[in-house]
Amino acid sequence: DVKVTQSSRYLVKRTGEKVFLECVQDMDHENMFWYRQDPGLGLRLIYFSYDVKMKEKGDIPEGYSVSREKKERFSLILESASTNQTSMYLCASSLSGKVSYEQYFGPGTRLTVT
Amino acid sequence: AQSVTQLGSHVSVSEGALVLLRCNYSSSVPPYLFWYVQYPNQGLQLLLKYTSAATLVKGINGFEAEFKKSETSFHLTKPSAHMSDAAEYFCAVTSGYSSASKIIFGSGTRLSIRP
Repeated sequence: DVKVTQSSRYLVKRTGEKVFLECVQDMDHENMFWYRQDPGLGLRLIYFSYDVKMKEKGDIPEGYSVSREKKERFSLILESASTNQTSMYLCASSLSGKVSYEQYFGPGTRLTVT
Repeated sequence: AQSVTQLGSHVSVSEGALVLLRCNYSSSVPPYLFWYVQYPNQGLQLLLKYTSAATLVKGINGFEAEFKKSETSFHLTKPSAHMSDAAEYFCAVTSGYSSASKIIFGSGTRLSIRP
């Protein structure tokens, strides 16, 4: 069964802290994605990666960075957390090669920055 | 540029009634279209997708959607709502040619089912 896991379901951090969100997929997918989900705004793409050590900015990369050292793992880093980064963060993965390939999602991490 | 518009942030229907969730897209090239569902406290899962093979697409849990190019629409329907259908539904579009298959999501429609 297809599986995307995220390291935490709920996380509370203080303003200014460095935050790491981890995502692991077991499907040997080339592509991995980080989104944030906010009410009324849908999903917005932060960063994506189409290969190990490769990354591209999405629509809202400011304040975030990513790391992909291994094919199965994609990390999202908040260098200095701020209250406006309080949100639901969703990781996804997909095969490469066809634009019609669906994305598989993890359960999400609800991050609160106080 | 591509975009997706979901009409109605919240739809409420009675159990057994028709479900209709509206989605309109904008794309300068032939699109691929998706409907995803998100149950409470879960990630998104694919309901169905349109990839140009057939305009009427059947998905899981009795849902289907029809691609109408002339109306740039991809509305989601289910003949008879069930309590378990209560969730948030996202329409999405892609037609990118990059290997990363970026998808543009709509803002979502929350479906409530009345007993």
